Amino acid sequence: AQSVTQLGSHVSVSEGALVLLRCNYSSSVPPYLFWYVQYPNQGLQLLLKYTSAATLVKGINGFEAEFKKSETSFHLTKPSAHMSDAAEYFCAVTYGGATNKLIFGTGTLLAVQP
Amino acid sequence: GAVVSQHPSWVICKSGTSVKIECRSLDFQATTMFWYRQFPKQSLMLMATSNEGSKATYEQGVEKDKFLINHASLTLSTLTVTSAHPEDSSFYICSAAGQEGEQYFGPGTRLTVT
Repeated sequence: AQSVTQLGSHVSVSEGALVLLRCNYSSSVPPYLFWYVQYPNQGLQLLLKYTSAATLVKGINGFEAEFKKSETSFHLTKPSAHMSDAAEYFCAVTYGGATNKLIFGTGTLLAVQP
Repeated sequence: GAVVSQHPSWVICKSGTSVKIECRSLDFQATTMFWYRQFPKQSLMLMATSNEGSKATYEQGVEKDKFLINHASLTLSTLTVTSAHPEDSSFYICSAAGQEGEQYFGPGTRLTVT
C-alpha cells in the first residue's frame, strides 16, 4: 500500500537556521509529491509539487524540495528560517490524475525560536 | 489563481439539527472535490470524494446518510451534517482537484455541536 512517512512530529530551529523536514514515501509506481503548510485554524496551502519534471522543485516562501528516487524521499528545506515559517507541514503523495486521492503524512510542527 | 472558499468559516448548532457547509472553487472548474475532517493536532482524514454530477464516494467508516454530499456544479460542492451530535464537532476542510494531482484547499469550517 502507498504511504507517506514524516520523520519528526516536532522540529524546532532557530531563526536564520536551516529548515529540514523529512518525508519518505512508499510506491511501486512514479508518484506525484506535494508539500503543504497549515497555519492554525486555516486550510492547507500548497508549497510545492513534484510531478516527474525537475527533481529539485522550488516553491513559495523560499522553500524547496528534492525528489530522490533511490532514497524514496522528498525532503523539504529552506536555507534560513523565519518566524513566520512556524506552522504545521504536511507531505502528501498521489499516484497520478486529478481525481486520485492524496495520501497525507502525519505532519510536522515547525517551531522557530528567536 | 486556484482559490477555494468555504462557508461558513465557523458554526455552532444544537444537537439534532443539520448544518450545511459550502465549498466553492472561485477561479477554476473542479470536476472533483474532496471533503476532509481534521481533529486537533492530527492530519487530515478523507471523508469522501465528490464528483460533479454523480454520487460521492465515501471512505470506509464514513456514514453516507449522516454526511450528505452534493456536487451540483463544477464550482460548488456541499456537505450537510445531518442530525448533528457533539461527536461531530470538528474542523471540516474541502479541496478541489487541480490538473496535476494537486489539491487546492478551502480555509476550513469549524463546527461545534452543543
